[in-house]
Amino acid sequence: GQQLNQSPQSMFIQEGEDVSMNCTSSSIFNTWLWYKQDPGEGPVLLIALYKAGELTSNGRLTAQFGITRKDSFLNISASIPSDVGIYFCAGQQEMDSNYQLIWGAGTKLIIKP
Amino acid sequence: DAGVTQSPTHLIKTRGQHVTLRCSPISGHKSVSWYQQVLGQGPQFIFQYYEKEERGRGNFPDRFSARQFPNYSSELNVNALLLGDSALYLCASSLATGLPQHFGDGTRLSIL
Repeated sequence: GQQLNQSPQSMFIQEGEDVSMNCTSSSIFNTWLWYKQDPGEGPVLLIALYKAGELTSNGRLTAQFGITRKDSFLNISASIPSDVGIYFCAGQQEMDSNYQLIWGAGTKLIIKP
Repeated sequence: DAGVTQSPTHLIKTRGQHVTLRCSPISGHKSVSWYQQVLGQGPQFIFQYYEKEERGRGNFPDRFSARQFPNYSSELNVNALLLGDSALYLCASSLATGLPQHFGDGTRLSIL
């Protein structure tokens, strides 16, 4: 199925470092969403973006909706151990009043002790 | 408030059998979507329902079907199970279509 191009695939960082990941697509999306998924759990919504150029923060997380509507990035500042997990971007498409989410393959964040 | 609840949490079936997965949305949410997540990949959209009507269908064979009940809960049915159907099946609910979706913890389906 269709997927977004999400990078990097994985990141090994030190506690306290800043993290940056992004998603790109050949398609335009009306909404970009960022989720975090921990082992054995479902994805948890972190940030939702609704307008091109929009910059939104949620605590130490900041995400932006690209001007072209074909990309988005997520930054995490001053990473802590509980940030470990898999981060997914998702773009929402509308077709004939139906909406579906198209997902990236995820960025696995690992924090070195 | 309870989040999205799914049952069962784990299920083991054999090829050719059928399975029914269940989902209860967050109270007040009228839209339910189903996703399949294979290990190491992002979720793939299967169905979306709103007010008991199918509002979207992903690229899955007709062996997959779903329905939404008057209380907005939903079932996903899969017939003639194949080994490739082994995955985590996620249910998500939202107030309406087009609004952010909130996920349950999924049903882990293993096909032997």
